[in-house]
Amino acid sequence: NAGVTQTPKFQVLKTGQSMTLQCAQDMNHNSMYWYRQDPGMGLRLIYYSASEGTTDKGEVPNGYNVSRLNKREFSLRLESAAPSQTSVYFCATEGAGAPRGDTQYFGPGTRLTVL
Amino acid sequence: AQSVTQLDSQVPVFEEAPVELRCNYSSSVSVYLFWYVQYPNQGLQLLLKYLSGSTLVKGINGFEAEFNKSQTSFHLRKPSVHISDTAEYFCAVRETSGSRLTFGEGTQLTVNP
Repeated sequence: NAGVTQTPKFQVLKTGQSMTLQCAQDMNHNSMYWYRQDPGMGLRLIYYSASEGTTDKGEVPNGYNVSRLNKREFSLRLESAAPSQTSVYFCATEGAGAPRGDTQYFGPGTRLTVL
Repeated sequence: AQSVTQLDSQVPVFEEAPVELRCNYSSSVSVYLFWYVQYPNQGLQLLLKYLSGSTLVKGINGFEAEFNKSQTSFHLRKPSVHISDTAEYFCAVRETSGSRLTFGEGTQLTVNP
C-alpha cells in the first residue's frame, strides 16, 4: 500500500522546456490536488479534481495544465517552464463526502528547478 | 474568502520546554481547522483537526490545539517538546461548504538540546 506516489523526485529544466509531473494513489480517493510550496508562502493550490473527469483551477493555475487520467492518476503539465515555477510540488488526495473535514494525504513531493 | 495567518515564522525552543504555535484565521462562515506537520524532505501529514464539538482537540505525538471562535484562533501546543519535533508546522482552514483547503505560511519549530 504505497499511498500517494509522485514522479520524478527531482527535475532540472531550462526555460521553455516542458514536462509532466505524475501522481498516483492507491487509496481509492475521489479528490486529488496539486500544490506548490515556496518559502514563506505555505502551500498554494494550483489545480484540483473533485472526481474522475472533473478539474478546477485553484489559486495559482497560470502556466499549468492538468489531466485526471482515471481515478488513480492526476498529472500536472508545465508547457513552457519559467524560472518562477521553481518550487516543490505536492500531490494530495482526499476521500470524498460531506462534511468536508476529511484529511488530505500528501505525496513526497517533486523538487523542480527551472534555469 | 478564507485566510490563515501564522503569527511566527520561526520558533526556537529547548528540549523539554513547552511550545505554542499561533494561528489565526478569517472567514465569514463556519470552518474546519487543521494542523499539518512537514518533516525535512517529506510531504505533509495531519497532526490534528477540529470539525465540531469540544474546542480542545488532541492529536498525534502529544500535540493539542484549542479552537477559539471569538478570537478566530486555533493555536497548537505541546507541554514538553523533543528534538524529533523539529519540523515545519502548517495551519489550514476550510469553509464547511467549501472544497478548498487554505494553508498558512508555516512555522518552523526548531528544538535545541
